[in-house]
Amino acid sequence: DSGVTQTPKHLITATGQRVTLRCSPRSGDLSVYWYQQSLDQGLQFLIQYYNGEERAKGNILERFSAQQFPDLHSELNLSSLELGDSALYFCASSEGDGGRGNTIYFGEGSWLTVV
Amino acid sequence: GQNIDQPTEMTATEGAIVQINCTYQTSGFNGLFWYQQHAGEAPTFLSYNVLDGLEEKGRFSSFLSRSKGYSYLLLKELQMKDSASYLCAVSGNRDDKIIFGKGTRLHILP
Repeated sequence: DSGVTQTPKHLITATGQRVTLRCSPRSGDLSVYWYQQSLDQGLQFLIQYYNGEERAKGNILERFSAQQFPDLHSELNLSSLELGDSALYFCASSEGDGGRGNTIYFGEGSWLTVV
Repeated sequence: GQNIDQPTEMTATEGAIVQINCTYQTSGFNGLFWYQQHAGEAPTFLSYNVLDGLEEKGRFSSFLSRSKGYSYLLLKELQMKDSASYLCAVSGNRDDKIIFGKGTRLHILP
């Protein structure tokens, strides 16, 4: 158990809908990262937050947004869902800002299936 | 831009040694991570290299050459439970994001 908690574990929804994935980082970690992993793709970096502020952005679609709250938990919002958004979404956290060798620890992921 | 390359799949025999290579091209470099991921599960941290050389941790070792943009993960005394994907990831210093390669799927044969 990494200490990173993600909910829900599984989610099935229809195209065009909107979902919110939630993540609680490890106790004491200030950074939260979101990654998307599809069957034939590696871990695609979406976005990183550090202590409530956006720190780095990857190939995150405009239909997707995220935020980190004062209590450091984070939410990833996915809207106007398409079939291709079906993937495993991982949240990860680290003590520092990630770029200085702080190991990032992953949650168990949220399986999203869009039908 | 950033690019991380590693072989897609490898096969090895139980009890043997296998080396998984990773080459990278990044704008800036803070360090290189190796993670293990079993199918459908979360990646778990294996090692972190920031300086050139070999880091040994039990059956697993990781090597880094910054000048060559090259790393490898060495797994000794392979066990069936080592069947997994191994992910190489690089932390650049321009914007701190950690970028992962597509992973190497390792199959262990009895």
